[in-house]
Amino acid sequence: NAGVTQTPKFQVLKTGQSMTLQCAQDMNHEYMSWYRQDPGMGLRLIHYSVGAGITDQGEVPNGYNVSRSTTEDFPLRLLSAAPSQTSVYFCASSSGGSGTGGSHEQYFGPGTRLTVT
Amino acid sequence: AQSVAQPEDQVNVAEGNPLTVKCTYSVSGNPYLFWYVQYPNRGLQFLLKYITGDNLVKGSYGFEAEFNKSQTSFHLKKPSALVSDSALYFCAVREADRGSTLGRLYFGRGTQLTVWP
Repeated sequence: NAGVTQTPKFQVLKTGQSMTLQCAQDMNHEYMSWYRQDPGMGLRLIHYSVGAGITDQGEVPNGYNVSRSTTEDFPLRLLSAAPSQTSVYFCASSSGGSGTGGSHEQYFGPGTRLTVT
Repeated sequence: AQSVAQPEDQVNVAEGNPLTVKCTYSVSGNPYLFWYVQYPNRGLQFLLKYITGDNLVKGSYGFEAEFNKSQTSFHLKKPSALVSDSALYFCAVREADRGSTLGRLYFGRGTQLTVWP
């Protein structure tokens, strides 16, 4: 198993550009999520999904869109990049879908380091 | 509201000495508690979790954590620290049995552990 993969590893954008961060998992996990990590802030949840076709907002969803058309993939779209979106982005998955009570640990991808100038 | 506090930004300990990384939490109902570790330029790795049962939980790399309901704490411990334990440690909490908010795992801000030789 490759686990959770993310592409690209690094990205530089200009203000106003759009892009998609890719995330895929091969563990047949129902639950997937996107976090951003900023110094001194820990990890903050952007969006999450409890299964294909189901997504919901986390703590900091503004400026980001997601969709979940398959179990494996959960892309994160930046609509119009802003310097405040400079961060490291992590995708995570777990087998804790609805009905399991959320007791399962999450598996994290290696991250995408995004800089917006 | 759910929250996690890691009161120490940094913990420094000599190799061979015991280490403790502190975590307190706040949830309305029963908690699911997790510890993750992050090495430089890597994603988070799961260390251990408390779901139910014994208050002392053992995890990877010789780490353990003690769940204390009355003090709402879940401190991470290791009897003898190694230089290779130096990393960023995150505590996280999710409220159990919340089906519609299953995806929301709340992280602390992280504690940088440095073990010096």
